[in-house]
Amino acid sequence: GAGVSQSPSNKVTEKGKDVELRCDPISGHTALYWYRQSLGQGLEFLIYFQGNSAPDKSGLPSDRFSAERTGGSVSTLTIQRTQQEDSAVYLCASSPSLFAGGGTEAFFGQGTRLTVV
Amino acid sequence: AQKVTQAQTEISVVEKEDVTLDCVYETRDTTYYLFWYKQPPSGELVFLIRRNSFDEQNEISGRYSWNFQKSTSSFNFTITASQVVDSAVYFCALSEASGANSKLTFGKGITLSVRP
Repeated sequence: GAGVSQSPSNKVTEKGKDVELRCDPISGHTALYWYRQSLGQGLEFLIYFQGNSAPDKSGLPSDRFSAERTGGSVSTLTIQRTQQEDSAVYLCASSPSLFAGGGTEAFFGQGTRLTVV
Repeated sequence: AQKVTQAQTEISVVEKEDVTLDCVYETRDTTYYLFWYKQPPSGELVFLIRRNSFDEQNEISGRYSWNFQKSTSSFNFTITASQVVDSAVYFCALSEASGANSKLTFGKGITLSVRP
């Protein structure tokens, strides 16, 4: 498809298990972002990729969270030893320009709803 | 640090009413970008508008209009003659202008319900 694709759309996991969330950005988009949307905290930035490198990881809440991006395309967000407070919708976004600066529009996926029980 | 405040949490109007969604921001940057996104029940964030800090002209797009006032650090969004399809959560957001990182700082969002 032409948009940002995320999978799975819903994930229920037991506390303590690891989960992987996948994001397929729009083809050709060099920048990729992960955000988390939870009831108490609203929409929070997690990590930014430019190509395969992550120059800004400032939003990752703990060392249980990690992300990688391969081939300048697909990204995976991994949460280890999940906790109930990790329950949220995880949104991925991509944008096209490498040097356009801070005003580049981001295109969002529909998110992965993670529930930790 | 950057901050976006959307003081209204929920607004309910009857179809055809006009409604204004407020957004106030804080930043130390002199150059920055402001955004509005719409999140319908499907969950996907839909881009509505981007405005840079040097462009204070108001903008109108169909039933939507935006009022950017640097003096009050506000970027308000008005929907004229609201429709049921406008029901959604609306987010105001801010990003720095420097570098290639366009990460967004979001407000908490405003849930708009338009009743028939």
